[in-house]
Amino acid sequence: DSGVTQTPKHLITATGQRVTLRCSPRSGDLSVYWYQQSLDQGLQFLIQYYNGEERAKGNILERFSAQQFPDLHSELNLSSLELGDSALYFCASSVNLQGGTDTQYFGPGTRLTVL
Amino acid sequence: AQKITQTQPGMFVQEKEAVTLDCTYDTSDQSYGLFWYKQPSSGEMIFLIYQGSYDEQNATEGRYSLNFQKARKSANLVISASQLGDSAMYFCAMRDEPSNTGKLIFGQGTTLQVKP
Repeated sequence: DSGVTQTPKHLITATGQRVTLRCSPRSGDLSVYWYQQSLDQGLQFLIQYYNGEERAKGNILERFSAQQFPDLHSELNLSSLELGDSALYFCASSVNLQGGTDTQYFGPGTRLTVL
Repeated sequence: AQKITQTQPGMFVQEKEAVTLDCTYDTSDQSYGLFWYKQPSSGEMIFLIYQGSYDEQNATEGRYSLNFQKARKSANLVISASQLGDSAMYFCAMRDEPSNTGKLIFGQGTTLQVKP
């Protein structure tokens, strides 16, 4: 158990819908990262928050948005869902923004299926 | 642009033997970090080992060691005394430290199957 929690574990929805994925980081971690894992794209970085502020953006679609709340939990919102958004979405957390041995620990993931 | 390459889509190893999973990387930065993660069939991503670009010694964590060859830009994972529970997908990843973000760039992964 990494200490990172994600809910829900599975999500099945229809095209055009909107969903929210939730993540609670490990106690003491200030950085939260979201990644998408799909068969065709592999593991891709989406977005990073540090202590409530957005710090880096990766290959995140405009239909997707995220935020980190004062209690440091984070939510990833996916809207106007398409079949291609079906994937495993991971949240990871780490202690701080700087480099060094700042290991990211991953949550169990949310498997999103868009029908 | 930074890139991680794992050229072995799948590998087999006999139980109790050692196995090496290859990883090469491409970066123009001097400061970077290299990671290996394990993803069992259950789906979670488990951190295994870290190597910093300035670390002079190869990292080791129990049965895992990282064969870091900076000049060749390779960071191979060595698993000694393989166990059935080592069957999983393994990902090599790099963090670009000078960019002041923590984002990881992942390779395509290698599926390891341990035979009894």
